[in-house]
Amino acid sequence: QITLKESGPTLVKPTQTLTLTCTFSGFSLSTSGVGVGWIRQPPGKALEWLALIYWNDDKRYSPSLKSRLTITKDTSKNQVVLTMTNMDPVDTATYYCAHTFDSSSILDYWGQGTLVTVSS
Amino acid sequence: SYVLTQPPSVSVAPGQTARITCGGNNIGSKSVHWYQQKPGQAPVLVVYDDSDRPSGIPERFSGSNSGNTATLTISRVEAGDEADYYCQVWDSSSDHSWVFGGGTKLTVL
Repeated sequence: QITLKESGPTLVKPTQTLTLTCTFSGFSLSTSGVGVGWIRQPPGKALEWLALIYWNDDKRYSPSLKSRLTITKDTSKNQVVLTMTNMDPVDTATYYCAHTFDSSSILDYWGQGTLVTVSS
Repeated sequence: SYVLTQPPSVSVAPGQTARITCGGNNIGSKSVHWYQQKPGQAPVLVVYDDSDRPSGIPERFSGSNSGNTATLTISRVEAGDEADYYCQVWDSSSDHSWVFGGGTKLTVL
């Protein structure tokens, strides 16, 4: 049974750096083809892909946010960490992590999401 | 960057067929995935690789993809199908981005 859960601060100030952790179970990020992606959703708006990391440490980033994002994995802890620098109120959103397989973009299991508010 | 266009809303009566489109340049050459999202919940994969269904998804959900349009079809619509639906592709042509459509609100009348 695959599960993922996002954790991190619920409130950050403008210009601060956001660090989110995705803790998962039921799969290993050392298995060929497996990946974890991060997706966000501002209140009332659409999904937006942010970043992904595959089992072989291949990393991809949204072109529009690439300069602000870093994704890393800790296989031994079953965790993926996303950092986003220079946070702004427009970054207020629910942040999700999700599992993918076969080096694809199919997101078959999602975490429950965590709401991050950016405000002074 | 690659853009996916969805209608903001689709309305259908119970028992009828809903069709939700996803437009993109030569989208027929890409694999399209569809997600259902109900209020306050995480998205759920309902169709992947254009027309495959994950286990547990009713056969009422089907997909097609050709030319510049992919379509999610929901047959015999039920009240419980009311949700937002998003299409997604992997744009491997340039920056290898994952792209989501803007979402479609399905209303069951």
